[in-house]
Amino acid sequence: KQEVTQIPAALSVPEGENLVLNCSFTDSAIYNLQWFRQDPGKGLTSLLLIQSSQREQTSGRLNASLDKSSGRSTLYIAASQPGDSATYLCAVRRLGTSGSRLTFGEGTQLTVNP
Amino acid sequence: NAGVTQTPKFQVLKTGQSMTLQCAQDMNHEYMSWYRQDPGMGLRLIHYSVGAGITDQGEVPNGYNVSRSTTEDFPLRLLSAAPSQTSVYFCASSRTGNTEAFFGQGTRLTVV
Repeated sequence: KQEVTQIPAALSVPEGENLVLNCSFTDSAIYNLQWFRQDPGKGLTSLLLIQSSQREQTSGRLNASLDKSSGRSTLYIAASQPGDSATYLCAVRRLGTSGSRLTFGEGTQLTVNP
Repeated sequence: NAGVTQTPKFQVLKTGQSMTLQCAQDMNHEYMSWYRQDPGMGLRLIHYSVGAGITDQGEVPNGYNVSRSTTEDFPLRLLSAAPSQTSVYFCASSRTGNTEAFFGQGTRLTVV
């Protein structure tokens, strides 16, 4: 059974700091890994998708890496801003009994202080 | 772009009542899924569909039914609501089984 773990569960940083969020998964037989952002009371917003054959993806101040063999992904946020405050979730997609399915970590709650 | 639309946004049910949570997407996506999100449990997969007429169970399917008669719609039915089904429900879709997933804004359900 695939398990996804995110560390730390919560993180508080001053504005402007560079930071790294971690995601680990137990089964390396994945199709892809996706990072999401969730604001309080809202839905999930997709940030980055990394296919299993890729090592990293970048979007603006965000960079996500994937090391499938070790079962790890990191989300790097450069020059953090108060608007980055949210919960960040990672999810891995793997084969199910019919088609593929996403398995989520519990998230890292990020607070960026002005 | 409407994307993934869920209705209603909020609902209060009494134990034993039935209801249907609606989910529609306008992106012609084949894959659609339902998740529930509970504190300390993360998002857990309830049911999913890989195309019209095809559905399968996820981690926590008991108490929920689904069907997929069209590509666009994937309703989730609670036949007899229980307090344990109090949660936030999210619908998601993706073009295929290996592409980016998009989520709706959620339905907050309370069963009293």
